[in-house]
Amino acid sequence: DSGVTQTPKHLITATGQRVTLRCSPRSGDLSVYWYQQSLDQGLQFLIQYYNGEERAKGNILERFSAQQFPDLHSELNLSSLELGDSALYFCASSDRGQGYNEQFFGPGTRLTVL
Amino acid sequence: AQSVTQPDIHITVSEGASLELRCNYSYGATPYLFWYVQSPGQGLQLLLKYFSGDTLVQGIKGFEAEFKRSQSSFNLRKPSVHWSDAAEYFCAVAAGGGAQKLVFGQGTRLTINP
Repeated sequence: DSGVTQTPKHLITATGQRVTLRCSPRSGDLSVYWYQQSLDQGLQFLIQYYNGEERAKGNILERFSAQQFPDLHSELNLSSLELGDSALYFCASSDRGQGYNEQFFGPGTRLTVL
Repeated sequence: AQSVTQPDIHITVSEGASLELRCNYSYGATPYLFWYVQSPGQGLQLLLKYFSGDTLVQGIKGFEAEFKRSQSSFNLRKPSVHWSDAAEYFCAVAAGGGAQKLVFGQGTRLTINP
């Protein structure tokens, strides 16, 4: 158990809908990262937040957004869902905002768009 | 931009045999390198990491990896595999300094024959 929790574990929805994925980092970790794992693209970095502020952005679509709250949990919002958004979404946390340290991954949320 | 190549999509070895999984990276400066393992339906677990210093790093579950700058490689090894090692293995690189995102290879799926 990495100490990172993600809810829900599975999510099934329809095209055009909007969903919210939630992540709670390890106790004491200030950075949260979101990754998408799909058959087509593999594991891709989406976005990083550090202590409530966006720190780095990757291949995140405009239909997707994220935020980190004062209690440090984070939410990834996916809207106008398409079939191709079906994937496993991972959250990871670390204790740093810059300068590298290990990222601890949650169990993921599997999103299925029908 | 940094990138990671794992040339082997799928490897099958017999239980008790030795294992080597290949990883090549592309990054201009000294990279931070990682190997993660993903069991079916699970999140990513860190096996080992290389930041600097000794180029042969030891990890959990009896794995080790060797950083070879001249070959831009960071291959993962295990002298004797166990059936429980069957999983998907990902090599990843992170940029130094302020950039913290992980760039992953496509993964190598390991099957163990009894």
